[in-house]
Amino acid sequence: RKEVEQDPGPFNVPEGATVAFNCTYSNSASQSFFWYRQDCRKEPKLLMSVYSSGNEDGRFTAQLNRASQYISLLIRDSKLSDSATYLCVVNPRGGKLIFGQGTELSVKP
Amino acid sequence: DGGITQSPKYLFRKEGQNVTLSCEQNLNHDAMYWYRQDPGQGLRLIYYSQIVNDFQKGDIAEGYSVSREKKESFPLTVTSAQKNPTAFYLCASSRRGRVDEQFFGPGTRLTVL
Repeated sequence: RKEVEQDPGPFNVPEGATVAFNCTYSNSASQSFFWYRQDCRKEPKLLMSVYSSGNEDGRFTAQLNRASQYISLLIRDSKLSDSATYLCVVNPRGGKLIFGQGTELSVKP
Repeated sequence: DGGITQSPKYLFRKEGQNVTLSCEQNLNHDAMYWYRQDPGQGLRLIYYSQIVNDFQKGDIAEGYSVSREKKESFPLTVTSAQKNPTAFYLCASSRRGRVDEQFFGPGTRLTVL
């Protein structure tokens, strides 16, 4: 089993749609969780951290369920500019990050 | 402006040649990291360094080597022993102990012909 697994993509949605990405992790002792965004052929950039209480940043909402070892990212009112690959990232302890394989989102006009 | 630079952006090499990828940061970060990304996959850690003159193997260190002689620099050598070196290589840095706050360079896309 992979340490971090994400929904296989790609997700193709129209502008204005709501889309949700899911991610599971295997190490129950993991400390911190993140969503990164990666544009085509570019470096990943931190989108948001994920907290147990859930957190929201504009159109983006992240949720963490420690009991189920599950992380989600919800994007409301999708824009063309949201098209990218979204990486689920976990810090399992031990000085390194573990990256999921990414879920590609394509928002169409 | 503070940041991380990687050069070159694109690199082509013949099979059997060693090649060194550059990574420089002026963020005054102690920790630096090298990752490899293959199409449709997440980033995999090659090597990391928490402090000058010290580094540790990541998950896929075979066929790679690094040095950390200066705080600002963490070059990665892809040796001929690396069986499948064509990939996108990303360097990152963070403050010591803040592995969760990594800043990435723009990456080097290496193609071995």
